Amino acid sequence: GENVEQHPSTLSVQEGDSAVIKCTYSDSASNYFPWYKQELGKRPQLIIDIRSNVGEKKDQRIAVTLNKTAKHFSLHITETQPEDSAVYFCAASTGGGADGLTFGKGTHLIIQP
Amino acid sequence: AAGVIQSPRHLIKEKRETATLKCYPIPRHDTVYWYQQGPGQDPQFLISFYEKMQSDKGSIPDRFSAQQFSDYHSELNMSSLELGDSALYFCASSSGRWEASQYFGPGTRLLVL
Repeated sequence: GENVEQHPSTLSVQEGDSAVIKCTYSDSASNYFPWYKQELGKRPQLIIDIRSNVGEKKDQRIAVTLNKTAKHFSLHITETQPEDSAVYFCAASTGGGADGLTFGKGTHLIIQP
Repeated sequence: AAGVIQSPRHLIKEKRETATLKCYPIPRHDTVYWYQQGPGQDPQFLISFYEKMQSDKGSIPDRFSAQQFSDYHSELNMSSLELGDSALYFCASSSGRWEASQYFGPGTRLLVL
């Protein structure tokens, strides 16, 4: 089955700086890669996703890049703000057929004021 | 916009008891997924349904079963509960079998004593 590795497990950045979280996956059949933000005790919130036919996608301060050859994808957050503090999960799936997501272990992002 | 609804939000059970969790997907979403998230863990995929048929199966214990009804709501039935079943249980929904974006509900927090 699919295995998703996520790094780092904790990331502390100064407010206004950029944050980058990286993930690798093992199953070459995976072609859908979402990112979720989860605050303590709350639901995972879909913040951005990308399919394998696209190398990069951007939404305001958030961007995701995908290198399908190397099987890795990254989340980039620019101009970080205190409300960006949360746990971020990357995930992978075949992107259809009602397939479940395989998640990484999560990154605790801390924005220092 | 309407979101995924889960009930109950909190549930306390004794070991060996049974529990039923309910999920009402976003209107016009016909695909439902169930995930289990232990404390400090990533969500683990359990099972999914599309048009009332089981579609994908993850790490769902044999003691658990689920189904999707004609109005697309889904129920997760958990029997012979164990202490290790204490977790957050999330339901997610998507619109159509080949639409990958999954939107999570607020979760049911299950505590087994």
